[in-house]
Amino acid sequence: SQQGEEDPQALSIQEGENATMNCSYKTSINNLQWYRQNSGRGLVHLILIRSNEREKHSGRLRVTLDTSKKSSSLLITASRAADTASYFCATDPRMDSSYKLIFGSGTRLLVRP
Amino acid sequence: DAGVIQSPRHEVTEMGQEVTLRCKPISGHDYLFWYRQTMMRGLELLIYFNNNVPIDDSGMPEDRFSAKMPNASFSTLKIQPSEPRDSAVYFCASSLVRQGGTDTQYFGPGTRLTVL
Repeated sequence: SQQGEEDPQALSIQEGENATMNCSYKTSINNLQWYRQNSGRGLVHLILIRSNEREKHSGRLRVTLDTSKKSSSLLITASRAADTASYFCATDPRMDSSYKLIFGSGTRLLVRP
Repeated sequence: DAGVIQSPRHEVTEMGQEVTLRCKPISGHDYLFWYRQTMMRGLELLIYFNNNVPIDDSGMPEDRFSAKMPNASFSTLKIQPSEPRDSAVYFCASSLVRQGGTDTQYFGPGTRLTVL
């Protein structure tokens, strides 16, 4: 079963606009990660936020984490056509000696030139 | 480093045939993961290894699937016999788990499997 669910499933914006994607999960976590997947490619890690962190920045990316609501958001500012991809959140559930990630269903982002 | 290497990139086979997918993780990584991605089910973890030992194979769909990791630089995922519903993209990923829990996973380019 999927731990994380992204919202929206698909998002279409104009180049230069900001894109916000949300992720909700079910169980307590050690950390939450966001990955990007370009069409026909493998996933690429974007950013990791630990359960004791509330916000993290990396370039044009901003991630927030609210453990009380079991949710996270990924903000991409000043989007570019090259940002067109699917974005997945992945959670690391708090389990005994388990190091697996559980991926959500993803948000398909289209940035129109 | 060349990253995670998977072969073949594409595989087309007929129902009932044996399929073997191969993965070379990033040197020095101690965890290796096999995933399957389909439109219907998304990205599913099939099995993962730590220091070449299988830790959790609860995601392996059925006995037709098996995975091995004979050494730190090589893993295989085998499907025997293959069925059309096995058609999917199979990803291998590796990770170096540091203190504090799960770390970044590095994905290979995937193997697109089509079973006719």
